Amino acid sequence: RKEVEQDPGPFNVPEGATVAFNCTYSNSASQSFFWYRQDCRKEPKLLMSVYSSGNEDGRFTAQLNRASQYISLLIRDSKLSDSATYLCAVNTNAGNNRKLIWGLGTSLAVNP
Amino acid sequence: DGGITQSPKYLFRKEGQNVTLSCEQNLNHDAMYWYRQDPGQGLRLIYYSQIVNDFQKGDIAEGYSVSREKKESFPLTVTSAQKNPTAFYLCASSFRTTGDYGYTFGSGTRLTVV
Repeated sequence: RKEVEQDPGPFNVPEGATVAFNCTYSNSASQSFFWYRQDCRKEPKLLMSVYSSGNEDGRFTAQLNRASQYISLLIRDSKLSDSATYLCAVNTNAGNNRKLIWGLGTSLAVNP
Repeated sequence: DGGITQSPKYLFRKEGQNVTLSCEQNLNHDAMYWYRQDPGQGLRLIYYSQIVNDFQKGDIAEGYSVSREKKESFPLTVTSAQKNPTAFYLCASSFRTTGDYGYTFGSGTRLTVV
């Protein structure tokens, strides 16, 4: 089983739709979780950190489910500009060599 | 403004040449990382450094070398031993070595072998 897994998609949704992505992780001791957005041929940019209590930023909501070991990202009222690849990242919590492990990304296309 | 700068944006390499990609950050971040991304693929870790004068191999270090002589700088050399170097190279940095605050990425260098 991969350490961090995402459904690659693509997710094709109409403008205004609500769409949700999940990201599963294998290390139950992981402490930090993030969602990044990557546009085509650009660098990943931090979208949201994911906190235990869940967090919301405008149309975006991130949640953590420790029991089932996954994080989720919900996008409400999708815009054309939301079209991108969404990467999840989880820290390994492995002593002095802790670093982020990345999912392969989920591709989202929002259509007019 | 603080940030992380990669140069050049585009780089063309002839077969058998070594090339060096620059990565500089003024965020006062402790840790720095180099990733490779191939079309339609995820991020693969090449090397990372948690402190000056120290670095560790990532998952695909063969054919690459790095140095960390200054906190702000983490250059990557793609050697002639790297058989398939054409890719998008991303440098990142983080405030702590634990990844707890996420990573900040540079805008990348696109390397093509000609």
